[in-house]
Formats: sequence, structure tokens, C-alpha cells
Amino acid sequence: EPEVTQTPSHQVTQMGQEVILRCVPISNHLYFYWYRQILGQKVEFLVSFYNNEISEKSEIFDDQFSVERPDGSNFTLKIRSTKLEDSAMYFCASTVDQPDYNSPLHFGNGTRLTVT
Amino acid sequence: QKEVEQNSGPLSVPEGAIASLNCTYSDRGSQSFFWYRQYSGKSPELIMFIYSNGDKEDGRFTAQLNKASQYVSLLIRDSQPSDSATYLCAVNIGYGQNFVFGPGTRLSVLP
Repeated sequence: EPEVTQTPSHQVTQMGQEVILRCVPISNHLYFYWYRQILGQKVEFLVSFYNNEISEKSEIFDDQFSVERPDGSNFTLKIRSTKLEDSAMYFCASTVDQPDYNSPLHFGNGTRLTVT
Repeated sequence: QKEVEQNSGPLSVPEGAIASLNCTYSDRGSQSFFWYRQYSGKSPELIMFIYSNGDKEDGRFTAQLNKASQYVSLLIRDSQPSDSATYLCAVNIGYGQNFVFGPGTRLSVLP
């Protein structure tokens, strides 16, 4: 079964540093997402991306965050200047079409980001 | 504010019993409802979805939806220790809208 692939699985960085989290969505999927989950808390939506532009973003997704699809396969999340509170598990997800019951989210395995 | 609520648990059931997990949502415009299972440190994996009032069965799992009461549930029959995980309820408020997740209910199936 096709999978969403995320790298790295664990990233440790110092406060103030830039990090890039990488994702390869399922090949025929058109919509891409980043969610995050702080330890012990719920899964929170960050941003959705379609046709090479952001389609929706949450209040969490401020100017420190950006997303990019630099080529035909990768989808990246950049955090420009990390803060301690950015420590979380970041999940990439994709859907074949706009999200609904016919097009549920398929998650990658996640990148655990630790900011020290 | 679109809210999805779940009892945090833990919900403990003996092996072989039925586990019942509940979820309520605030937005009456919600269209479809999903149950994901999440093992500790892992990503959510889709169990099943439902979008019409009533019951939907898939193997040992049954989802129940009552839109008038804004309530969705998941029943797990013949619970196994491997079912021990956190179960996330997710709601899609409309076509093209993103999913809102509940906080999850931790289920523990005791051998």
C-alpha cells in the first residue's frame, strides 16, 4: 500500500535555529497537509497545500513557518527560528482529493522535533 | 470555534469485551466523521469513517452516528490487547474543509 514518507524521524535542534522537515506524499495525491501534536495533546492542523499554494492555514502557522513543494515529489515544512514550544511530533498527510469521507487523511510516520 | 470532545480515559476493558468510545462535536455543519487509532509515539491510522446517521460495521468495529445529537461513537467487539491505543475522533465540517481532531480516548484492554 502506498505510504507517506517523512524524514528525518527525529530532529534535535537548538533554539533559534532553522529546521526543514521533509515529506514525500503518496504519488497520485494532490492535497498535502502538515499537522502537529505536542506530547500528550491533540493533533492540530497547521496548513494545507494544493496546486503549489497554501489553501488554508491555522493560527499556529505564523510567519516563522513556511511550506514548499520544491519538486514533483517532496513537500517541506520550514521553521525559521525554532522556539522551545515548537517541540512536537510533526505529521505530514495527503489526500487524493479535497478532504472528505471519500478522501481521508493518510499520515506519514512523523518527525519528532526537539528544540533545546 | 469548532470543537470535538472525547473522554480522555483511560478506558479499561477486559479482553473479549466490547469497548465503547464516544465523541461529540459542536459544528452542526459537520459532514463526515472518522476514527483513527494511534499507538504511543506513532502516527494516526484510519480505522473507519461514517457520514450517514445510523450504524456502519467493518469487521470488529462499528461506528454509530447521530447528527441530531451531534454524537458519534465507535464500538470494538471482542477487544484484544493489541487494541490498546489512543482512539482519535476527527470531524470534517464540509467538503474541502480540514479535519478537526478530538483529544483522543486512551483504551486499555486487559488480558
